[in-house]
Amino acid sequence: KAGVTQTPRYLIKTRGQQVTLSCSPISGHRSVSWYQQTPGQGLQFLFEYFSETQRNKGNFPGRFSGRQFSNSRSEMNVSTLELGDSALYLCASSSGTPDTQYFGPGTRLTVL
Amino acid sequence: AQSVTQLGSHVSVSEGALVLLRCNYSSSVPPYLFWYVQYPNQGLQLLLKYTSAATLVKGINGFEAEFKKSETSFHLTKPSAHMSDAAEYFCAVSKETSGSRLTFGEGTQLTVNP
Repeated sequence: KAGVTQTPRYLIKTRGQQVTLSCSPISGHRSVSWYQQTPGQGLQFLFEYFSETQRNKGNFPGRFSGRQFSNSRSEMNVSTLELGDSALYLCASSSGTPDTQYFGPGTRLTVL
Repeated sequence: AQSVTQLGSHVSVSEGALVLLRCNYSSSVPPYLFWYVQYPNQGLQLLLKYTSAATLVKGINGFEAEFKKSETSFHLTKPSAHMSDAAEYFCAVSKETSGSRLTFGEGTQLTVNP
């Protein structure tokens, strides 16, 4: 089976812009979770989608949003980018609760 | 709330030596526990997971971990370190009631010296 894929792998944006990141889960997996990884805060949970519904949400501002499509692919959007949003954004998929999460390679976002 | 503490942000061992990475958790209910490894510029790769079937869990690349409820620990070990083991290691916990949400420890950077 193909693994979790994320596009793009690298992004450079400027403050105030918005960005959309994409994640394609492993075939058959219905749960997609997003995490932010920074040197200062480590790995933090953003949100989880299961069957097109947000099932869990972390403690991030409303500028961070997501959605899931009927084919389980997911997108994450960050509006009004801030310098502190520079991070590695990781997507993970699983087949259900509390099954193992499999991670993609991540999208490296740099905000200038 | 559940949390994970990894003791030692940096661990250095010699090639061939024992690897011991420490993880303690706090959870109000029996948790599911995981160890992931991250190589530079890559995502997280699952090493092993504990889901209450057996307290000693064997994973990939010769790693294993033992769940000790009395000590709320889930330490990761490998008898003999290889140069290729140099990476960052993360312990994580989840509960069935939290969906697929993982709470991660701070990570431990493992250095293997020749």
